[in-house]
Amino acid sequence: DAEITQSPRHKITETGRQVTLACHQTWNHNNMFWYRQDLGHGLRLIHYSYGVQDTNKGEVSDGYSVSRSNTEDLPLTLESAASSQTSVYFCASSPQSQGDQFFGPGTRLTVL
Amino acid sequence: GQNIDQPTEMTATEGAIVQINCTYQTSGFNGLFWYQQHAGEAPTFLSYNVLDGLEEKGRFSSFLSRSKGYSYLLLKELQMKDSASYLCAVRDGRDDKIIFGKGTRLHILP
Repeated sequence: DAEITQSPRHKITETGRQVTLACHQTWNHNNMFWYRQDLGHGLRLIHYSYGVQDTNKGEVSDGYSVSRSNTEDLPLTLESAASSQTSVYFCASSPQSQGDQFFGPGTRLTVL
Repeated sequence: GQNIDQPTEMTATEGAIVQINCTYQTSGFNGLFWYQQHAGEAPTFLSYNVLDGLEEKGRFSSFLSRSKGYSYLLLKELQMKDSASYLCAVRDGRDDKIIFGKGTRLHILP
């Protein structure tokens, strides 16, 4: 069955370290998205991609980067982790320009 | 830009009906979504409205009025498992981004 997975599911890191969160989908969807979810803010868009080699900034992109080298994967990198980036991160994918988003199970990141 | 408003919390009784409202302001609109999210889990898709009117799917219905920037999610015959957060989200017609409201936490009482 097609699916979307995220790894790791839980991560504890220290301030200043580089962290990469993986997202992998087997639906062959062109569109992929990264969100963070915090109490009082709901889901906020970090970065998104509409295809290979395409990346775009969302509303809270500072301190994050993504790359899209193939259809299946959109890794999210925190270049220098900060305590303000402690959050739950969700990856999602959708067919090009149509349909709803399918969400991965989420990654809980703690930055100490 | 986009602005999406929905109540923070609601409480209802098992077996009853509850309506969760969502209002939005957008400079481009291409559909409205409702998602359900149980605590500690990922959001799951409930409904999608792009035209005005009511979409019914089992115990859940969703309504859209584009001229009023208004939608609601109607849950009938409430069950304890319906205790969750309900997220209203709007797709921007200019760039296909989906922007989420902060969600409504629904508590079901026995």
